[in-house]
Formats: sequence, structure tokens, C-alpha cells
Amino acid sequence: ETGVTQSPTHLIKTRGQQVTLRCSSQSGHNTVSWYQQALGQGPQFIFQYYREEKNGRGNFPPRFSGLQFPNYSSELNVNALELDDSALYLCASSLYGHNEQFFGPGTRLTVL
Amino acid sequence: KNEVEQSPQNLTAQEGEFITINCSYSVGISALHWLQQHPGGGIVSLFMLSSGKKKHGRLIATINIQEKHSSLHITASHPRDSAVYICAVGRGGADGLTFGKGTHLIIQP
Repeated sequence: ETGVTQSPTHLIKTRGQQVTLRCSSQSGHNTVSWYQQALGQGPQFIFQYYREEKNGRGNFPPRFSGLQFPNYSSELNVNALELDDSALYLCASSLYGHNEQFFGPGTRLTVL
Repeated sequence: KNEVEQSPQNLTAQEGEFITINCSYSVGISALHWLQQHPGGGIVSLFMLSSGKKKHGRLIATINIQEKHSSLHITASHPRDSAVYICAVGRGGADGLTFGKGTHLIIQP
């Protein structure tokens, strides 16, 4: 059984640029959730995708968008990067309707 | 006020000590999660609870639904237990998890 993977591991961007982060869900899982974790804070829910549709959204601006593909992998896109977007971005996969989520290792984004 | 509050924020203890980390929440939940995060970021799920108590090795998690409170206990603590422990609650559906800020635990040899 393959676990949740994320790429890239680390990324450095400058203000105003755009970034795409990728997540492959655990085998058999059809739901992907994205979280942002600022330094010293707990993760914050960005949004969730189920069967290629956005299923729920946290309190993040429209600059944060995503996709889910037929194989249930997912992308998080952030446009017009701001310094405060510097954080660890975590994805978690799950089976829809089940509470347990399995987390990937995260992508650490630094915006200069 | 955050929906999920953890205490303490930081805890340093000696090897072998009994550790307790507390979590209080203010919303209705379908499940409460205890997670472990090591430096570098990866998060590992330790427990998922909706009632009662669960035990895994030296770790014990309890939840009191009426009081909206959960505790994570570590018996015979070891330096390898040093990590950030995070409490998170799920309300079901598509809301995602709501996390506490975490408890940074250091076990000294």
C-alpha cells in the first residue's frame, strides 16, 4: 500500500509568483484535503476535494485553488504569492465519509 | 478563542516521567485526533477517538464528550517521544480538521 506523497519537498518563490504543489493520495483513497501550517501554529484547512469536485473550503482567499484528477491525486495552486504564504503545506488523503486522514510529508514553501 | 485549545504549549520532562497533554474543544465533533509531528514536518496519526479510551503501547488517549475534553498520556517517556503533539477535531462532512496549536514535548535523558 503506497502512502501519501507530496512534491516538491521544498520550494522558494518570490512575491507575486505562482506555485503548484502536488499530492498523490494513498491507494484506495478518494478524498484529498489541503492544509497550511505556519511556523509555530497548527495546520489550517484550505479545502477538500472528492471525486474531482471541491467538497469544502476553509477561510482562504481565491488565490488558493486546486484540482483533483481521476486517479485522485491533487494539486494546490497559489497565485500572486505573498510573504505570509510561507508555510508548510500538507495534504491528507482519506476515504470519503471516514474520519481518519493520512498525511503526506508536506511541502515547505518560502516566499521571499 | 480558538475552537481547539491545547495545554501545555511546551513541556520538558525527564526520561521515565508520566506525561499528560490536554485538549479542550468548543464545537460538536464526530471524532478527535491525536497526531505527532517531528521536525521536518511529517504528521503521523496516533489515535482517533469518538468516545472512551484507547491504548497503543505506551500511549493512552481518553475523551470526555460531555466535557469536550481529551487527554493524551505517555507512560515511561523516552527521548524518542520528543515531538510536537497536536490535537485535532473533525466535524464530519467536508469541513476538514480543526487543529490545536500543538504541544512541544522534549524528553531529556
